[in-house]
Amino acid sequence: AQTVTQSQPEMSVQEAETVTLSCTYDTSESNYYLFWYKQPPSRQMILVIRQEAYKQQNATENRFSVNFQKAAKSFSLKISDSQLGDTAMYFCAFMNSTDKLIFGTGTRLQVFP
Amino acid sequence: DTAVSQTPKYLVTQMGNDKSIKCEQNLGHDTMYWYKQDSKKFLKIMFSYNNKELIINETVPNRFSPKSPDKAHLNLHINSLELGDSAVYFCASSRLAGHTDTQYFGPGTRLTVL
Repeated sequence: AQTVTQSQPEMSVQEAETVTLSCTYDTSESNYYLFWYKQPPSRQMILVIRQEAYKQQNATENRFSVNFQKAAKSFSLKISDSQLGDTAMYFCAFMNSTDKLIFGTGTRLQVFP
Repeated sequence: DTAVSQTPKYLVTQMGNDKSIKCEQNLGHDTMYWYKQDSKKFLKIMFSYNNKELIINETVPNRFSPKSPDKAHLNLHINSLELGDSAVYFCASSRLAGHTDTQYFGPGTRLTVL
């Protein structure tokens, strides 16, 4: 069975600085997809970024980028120029062809002024 | 222009009652899902439907019954509510089943069972 591990329950960063959130996963499959979702205090689940396992190039979305290491089964999220609005729970998630999203336990990120 | 909507946003009820949560998506997606987020924020899939047909049914008590009247709607009915059912329930949708499309989530329904 696939598992997703987020080893950092909480992180903090100062505004304008860079922070990296860790995620590792376990699977025997070669074709899958990885996601980072953000859940601010409003509770809404918001897609941050998506990575296809067959792509070697790391995905980027504005200030958000990933470091995808397929052999190490690692998928970290880097947030550059952190903003107060980035304060949220961040969930790493895995999906294969069954369409089930398997989530990690989340990392609570606090951005300080 | 809400993409995935859920009603109600909050639901407080007594043990033993029966309640429903409604979900609608206007994205034209074929596949819809229900997820449960427990008090520790852990999210787990419960069900998914593709074009009104059940395709994922995790080990959820049979007190939970999803119903899909059409591909834009997926409702969740819960019978004989228990304290442990208290959670946030999220509906989500994606374009096609079996294509690992991105899932878009609704705002969630916080269910509190007293």
